[in-house]
Amino acid sequence: SAVISQKPSRDICQRGTSLTIQCQVDSQVTMMFWYRQQPGQSLTLIATANQGSEATYESGFVIDKFPISRPNLTFSTLTVSNLSPEDSSIYLCSVLNSDRDNYGYTFGSGTRLTVV
Amino acid sequence: AQKITQTQPGMFVQEKEAVTLDCTYDTSDQSYGLFWYKQPSSGEMIFLIYQGSYDEQNATEGRYSLNFQKARKSANLVISASQLGDSAMYFCAMREGTSYDKVIFGPGTSLSVIP
Repeated sequence: SAVISQKPSRDICQRGTSLTIQCQVDSQVTMMFWYRQQPGQSLTLIATANQGSEATYESGFVIDKFPISRPNLTFSTLTVSNLSPEDSSIYLCSVLNSDRDNYGYTFGSGTRLTVV
Repeated sequence: AQKITQTQPGMFVQEKEAVTLDCTYDTSDQSYGLFWYKQPSSGEMIFLIYQGSYDEQNATEGRYSLNFQKARKSANLVISASQLGDSAMYFCAMREGTSYDKVIFGPGTSLSVIP
């Protein structure tokens, strides 16, 4: 299965600033997914990032707040802009393994964001 | 409307006993996939098991098995011989359709294994 390196693992940011999260995959993948996990909650899909096209955002998430970059088939970034305390969450990237039946989706280790 | 329902916010099980975590789903697609993930306190998401909608047999993976009842739209996870390391959050998830691989997650069940 794919291996994902996600950075940073955690950060504390001032309100009004932005944080960019990076995910590097050890193999080429068509789609990468970005999730948010608010404290004590489940995972909510923010957007799907295809290489070479604009990301597709889920209801309730907009590009101005969560711009996504997907410059190649192994890398993506998610920026959380104009931070407020409500953005304090874990952010995770994910890819679908080529053998989905045996390996499902692989997740990065997550970025724990605290906004103060 | 909630597409994935996990009605057990928290569960306790005695070490070495079996436990069933419930999951029901809602979809109008004929082709879909169901997943279970484990999230320990460290926060990582660990893939456990997968069941395709057309699979005739229930999926099994070591101590994990998936009790798939298609007509009832349920996909319960059974963990046999529970271990202390099984204490974690467990999420049921679903992928709809075949061309778009978006996955949605249920609210999760917190499992605590008691020695």
